[in-house]
Amino acid sequence: TQLLEQSPQFLSIQEGENLTVYCNSSSVFSSLQWYRQEPGEGPVLLVTVVTGGEVKKLKRLTFQFGDARKDSSLHITAAQPGDTGLYLCAGVLKGGYQKVTFGTGTKLQVIP
Amino acid sequence: EAGVVQSPRYKIIEKKQPVAFWCNPISGHNTLYWYLQNLGQGPELLIRYENEEAVDDSQLPKDRFSAERLKGVDSTLKIQPAELGDSAVYLCASSLDQGGTGASNEQFFGPGTRLTVL
Repeated sequence: TQLLEQSPQFLSIQEGENLTVYCNSSSVFSSLQWYRQEPGEGPVLLVTVVTGGEVKKLKRLTFQFGDARKDSSLHITAAQPGDTGLYLCAGVLKGGYQKVTFGTGTKLQVIP
Repeated sequence: EAGVVQSPRYKIIEKKQPVAFWCNPISGHNTLYWYLQNLGQGPELLIRYENEEAVDDSQLPKDRFSAERLKGVDSTLKIQPAELGDSAVYLCASSLDQGGTGASNEQFFGPGTRLTVL
């Protein structure tokens, strides 16, 4: 059972369009990370958000952590073909050690 | 600086055969992870090591899977015997954990080993 559900599962859009990916859970996380994975490679960290309500921007990507630290969103403005990939959120649970649980993934295709 | 190295990159075996994957983490990283990833889905943790100690192996199917990190550096994941459902990408990651802060330390992933069981 995945603690973190991402939506949509698949997204195919035209270059220049905007999109939002959601990451939802019933669990409270001490922090949340977003990774991007390209075919044949491992995931690469994009950002970590720590504080409830926190917003971070990385060029055309905007990441937000929910106020209750149970959910997060990733918004991409004017998508480019280079944004194509599998986007993964990963929640860090408080506890004996910081267990990281990955979301179900969102596969994005940006068509030129 | 070299990243996480995994070998082999691809492996095709027949069911019931054994298979082993090797991972060399980034130098100095004390924590090492093995994940299983099915196509288009998120990685699922199999085992996490802190130095040579397995601190979380709750998701490792111990009847057929085993792992070791004897000197706290490189690690091997083994499957014996392999089943059709084991076909997946096996990812290794490492991190330099510096204690329990709110911001988890970044995991650096290798390219993975794609296993096909026929």
